Amino acid sequence: NAGVTQTPKFQVLKTGQSMTLQCAQDMNHEYMSWYRQDPGMGLRLIHYSVGAGITDQGEVPNGYNVSRSTTEDFPLRLLSAAPSQTSVYFCASSYRWSSGNTIYFGEGSWLTVV
Amino acid sequence: GENVEQHPSTLSVQEGDSAVIKCTYSDSASNYFPWYKQELGKRPQLIIDIRSNVGEKKDQRIAVTLNKTAKHFSLHITETQPEDSAVYFCAASKGATGGFKTIFGAGTRLFVKA
Repeated sequence: NAGVTQTPKFQVLKTGQSMTLQCAQDMNHEYMSWYRQDPGMGLRLIHYSVGAGITDQGEVPNGYNVSRSTTEDFPLRLLSAAPSQTSVYFCASSYRWSSGNTIYFGEGSWLTVV
Repeated sequence: GENVEQHPSTLSVQEGDSAVIKCTYSDSASNYFPWYKQELGKRPQLIIDIRSNVGEKKDQRIAVTLNKTAKHFSLHITETQPEDSAVYFCAASKGATGGFKTIFGAGTRLFVKA
């Protein structure tokens, strides 16, 4: 299994541009999520999905869209990039069970908005 | 909303000493508390977790304790080694009742001096 695969690994955007961060997992996990990591801020949840066709907002959803058309894929779209969206983005997935869910992270995508 | 506070933000210890990282959570419905370790430039990886029906769990040099009444949980690393140097994140999840949304603390940067 490849686990959680994110692309691209590095990206530079100009303010106002849009882009999509791709995420795929091959572990048949129902739960997928996107986090952003900024210095001193930890991992903040952007959006998450508990299954195909179902998405919900996390802690910092503004400026981002997601969709979940299949179990495997969970792309994150930046609608109009802003310098405040410069960050490291992690896609994650986990298997759902009643008392918790171990999260497996992708390798991260380093995004710079200039 | 849900919140996880983590202290200290930075911790420096001598090799062989113990290290303790503390977290508090706000949502009393949280029932799963994982800890992740992130080495420089790498993805976070699970090192230990504890469920709400357990007060303590050990795995070799690592232990986690949970006080549900006080909504505190802590990570204890004994006999620290230089390879323990990393950023550690605590997290809290409500499992199925909370849509498996996992909220992370801001992280603790641990330095182990040889």
